[in-house]
Amino acid sequence: NFMLTQPHSVSESPGKTVTISCTGSSGSIASNYVQWYQQRPGSAPTTVIYEDNQRPSGVPDRFSGSIDSSSNSASLTISGLKTEDEADYYCQSYDSSNQGWVFGGGTKLTVL
Amino acid sequence: QVQLVQSGAEVKKPGASVKVSCKVSGYTLTELSMHWVRQAPGKGLEWMGGFDPEDGETIYAQKFQGRVTMTEDTSTDTAYMELSSLRSEDTAVYYCATVSIAARFHFDYWGQGTLVTVSS
Repeated sequence: NFMLTQPHSVSESPGKTVTISCTGSSGSIASNYVQWYQQRPGSAPTTVIYEDNQRPSGVPDRFSGSIDSSSNSASLTISGLKTEDEADYYCQSYDSSNQGWVFGGGTKLTVL
Repeated sequence: QVQLVQSGAEVKKPGASVKVSCKVSGYTLTELSMHWVRQAPGKGLEWMGGFDPEDGETIYAQKFQGRVTMTEDTSTDTAYMELSSLRSEDTAVYYCATVSIAARFHFDYWGQGTLVTVSS
């Protein structure tokens, strides 16, 4: 089965830049689009990046996404960190071999 | 704008079944591809299954096959997820979510979640 692996947690100071990785277990992560969701405690997830690097309207351009085929990974970069960015972030894609949607384990971002 | 409103919290005993509903507004259910995702307390998101417009079929994650049934009532624009043979590990918040019409792999709208507690 195709799996997505994320770091359990990351932390950074306000105003700085942080990057969260999402590594595919097999095949090419570039084969299917990757999405990134933000989830605050007690709330449903919301999209910050879809189709690798697209931002929904209303998401600030401080959020960006990319794919690195050489490391078979996707990345979410948040620049100019704000305390309101503190949340859990999940990557998500599609497993073509098993025909199913897949989530990474999630990364807790602490802004301190 | 799609809005998804789910049914309220449930408490069930082990071995029982639960049926969670998800009412759609802003669009009709036939225009959407509805999926279900769950999240155990303190854990990550887990895809359970949903309608794949590429195949025109409802597909289920292997983990839940035989135990989950996802249905739709197009007359009321309401989707349902029924999970049977409940065990304590099924205690979780269950979300309905739609897959984007324009981006097949992207969950663009989510319900507010329904907490299902399995306890004797």
